[in-house]
Amino acid sequence: QVQLVQSGAEVKKPGASVKVSCKASGYSFSSYGVSWVRQAPGQGLEWMGWISAYNGNTNYAQRFQGRVTMTTAKFTSTAYMELRSLRSDDTAVYYCARWMNELDASRLNLEFDYWGQGTLVTVSS
Amino acid sequence: QSALTQPPSAFGSPGQSITISCTATSSDVDGYKYVSWYQQHPGKAPILIIYEISKRPSGVPDRFSGSKSGNTASLTVSGLQAEDEADYYCGSYVGGNNFVFGTGTKVTV
Repeated sequence: QVQLVQSGAEVKKPGASVKVSCKASGYSFSSYGVSWVRQAPGQGLEWMGWISAYNGNTNYAQRFQGRVTMTTAKFTSTAYMELRSLRSDDTAVYYCARWMNELDASRLNLEFDYWGQGTLVTVSS
Repeated sequence: QSALTQPPSAFGSPGQSITISCTATSSDVDGYKYVSWYQQHPGKAPILIIYEISKRPSGVPDRFSGSKSGNTASLTVSGLQAEDEADYYCGSYVGGNNFVFGTGTKVTV
């Protein structure tokens, strides 16, 4: 079965960076992209960006451009999201989710059908 | 950035039906064809319940249905059950490998 397993909770100081991992299993990793979504305490879902596991192409939401980097490691079927220059308002649960099938034009999969369990990132001095 | 507006809350009694709206405020929502809906219980990851406006993933009860009229998509939950009490989010592909979520609706049963 498809699973996305994320790394554990992190506590960071303002100005630091955090890197969250998302290990995929149960499907062909290179066939689907991975998106990252975050949720601040008591707030809604916010899409951060996407990376193609096929060719490494990325697209970041405008508000995160310059501060976020998404990467993948095909040999370990793992996606990574690094967020830099952390601020207190970056405190949130960060989710990875499977998104976009680039290899099947008949079924693009433009919805988040599988999600990781979430990683709490706390930014505090 | 495109935005999707949802009512902040919705209420219903067990057995009743409720409908949650999701309205696009921008015209560039890629024809609004790729609307999806997610259910989220407190402290849990979201779960996909509707995709491509009205399709249900396997395992999702047929009490959940989706539709669209013009720039507004809707999620209807029929025969409300206690376990349907959750937050619901719409979302849409907006072209250029971008996605946007709705503002979210808290459903109380």
